[in-house]
Amino acid sequence: QKEVEQNSGPLSVPEGAIASLNCTYSDRGSQSFFWYRQYSGKSPELIMFIYSNGDKEDGRFTAQLNKASQYVSLLIRDSQPSDSATYLCAVNTRVNDYKLSFGAGTTVTVRA
Amino acid sequence: GAVVSQHPSRVICKSGTSVKIECRSLDFQATTMFWYRQFPKKSLMLMATSNEGSKATYEQGVEKDKFLINHASLTLSTLTVTSAHPEDSSFYICSASSQGLGVTGNTIYFGEGSWLTVV
Repeated sequence: QKEVEQNSGPLSVPEGAIASLNCTYSDRGSQSFFWYRQYSGKSPELIMFIYSNGDKEDGRFTAQLNKASQYVSLLIRDSQPSDSATYLCAVNTRVNDYKLSFGAGTTVTVRA
Repeated sequence: GAVVSQHPSRVICKSGTSVKIECRSLDFQATTMFWYRQFPKKSLMLMATSNEGSKATYEQGVEKDKFLINHASLTLSTLTVTSAHPEDSSFYICSASSQGLGVTGNTIYFGEGSWLTVV
């Protein structure tokens, strides 16, 4: 079982809709959870991080964490064509160890 | 937010030569930096953990004599690809942890990445 799993997509949504991305992880002791956006040929860009169960909102993005079920999700509201990218879920398993385990990424395409 | 700078962004080298990639944390001190490699349409694969003042920790399957890592200061780590071959052509990305940011812990930022092409 992979440490971090994501649906590879592609996920296609119309402009203005909500894009929902899911990520599951295998290590129940995981501490920190990150969502990165990566445009083709570019480096990952941090969107959000979340540590506690529940929802965390930042602009059009909402991260949701459920440690009991070992999943973390990302909602993108009012999707824009500029949101078209690959979204990487990353998990940090230990508080004092900054090493990240990445999922394979979900490719999102927002149709104008 | 915190910024990590990587240089060069693109480099072409001849097979058999060595190439150095720099990773700098611009407005924070990073005791730990990470080096990743990413092949087209694949996810990031961690190569090694770079620790300031000590030897790097390499992931399984990564040749430490081929990918030399030096973390001489709290703001600079370098990756040297020695005796490069065409199969080393890839996107190399560094990341650094900015300790203390966030409510309960650290935040990790990536450099812009370096495209290496070995011809």
